[in-house]
Amino acid sequence: AQSVTQLDSHVSVSEGTPVLLRCNYSSSYSPSLFWYVQHPNKGLQLLLKYTSAATLVKGINGFEAEFKKSETSFHLTKPSAHMSDAAEYFCVVSDRAGGGADGLTFGKGTHLIIQP
Amino acid sequence: EAQVTQNPRYLITVTGKKLTVTCSQNMNHEYMSWYRQDPGLGLRQIYYSMNVEVTDKGDVPEGYKVSRKEKRNFPLILESPSPNQTSLYFCASSALKRRGYTDTQYFGPGTRLTVL
Repeated sequence: AQSVTQLDSHVSVSEGTPVLLRCNYSSSYSPSLFWYVQHPNKGLQLLLKYTSAATLVKGINGFEAEFKKSETSFHLTKPSAHMSDAAEYFCVVSDRAGGGADGLTFGKGTHLIIQP
Repeated sequence: EAQVTQNPRYLITVTGKKLTVTCSQNMNHEYMSWYRQDPGLGLRQIYYSMNVEVTDKGDVPEGYKVSRKEKRNFPLILESPSPNQTSLYFCASSALKRRGYTDTQYFGPGTRLTVL
């Protein structure tokens, strides 16, 4: 069975400083991994995804994530935070053996707070 | 514009009064699903559909029904709502790459349901 753990429920950074949102996963197969962002009162939007190509994945709005198989991690980073980055972020793993037809398992989310 | 629409966006109802939340997508996606989002629990899948007339239970199906009579629509039905179904609901759709694997999920804007 697959699982995903977002290590921080809340992260607070100052505007202009780097962002690090941590995600660890477990999977019996070669997983696909996603990061989604949810702004207040909005649906989830795909930030980036890893599907066994390059291990460093670049997404929208300057975010990127690195797939590290040896560490079973898929941490999300951004060099310089912007006020508009304040949102909830979800790490998602897709594993053929997972539940449901899509095998998607969502992390519980990390709330990113940007201090002015 | 590619999108998933849900209606209503907000709904307050009373225990036992049947309700339907509609979901429609314009991307010709085979796969559609419903999630509920609750604080501290992340997103949990309620039901999913691989194609017209093909539906199956997700992780938390109790108290819900769905139908898939047309490819673009996937309504969620609460026959007798109860207060524990108060939640934020999301519909999502995606293409199917092959059995067991979906592509990027596209989410609707969400429906906030309160059952008194």
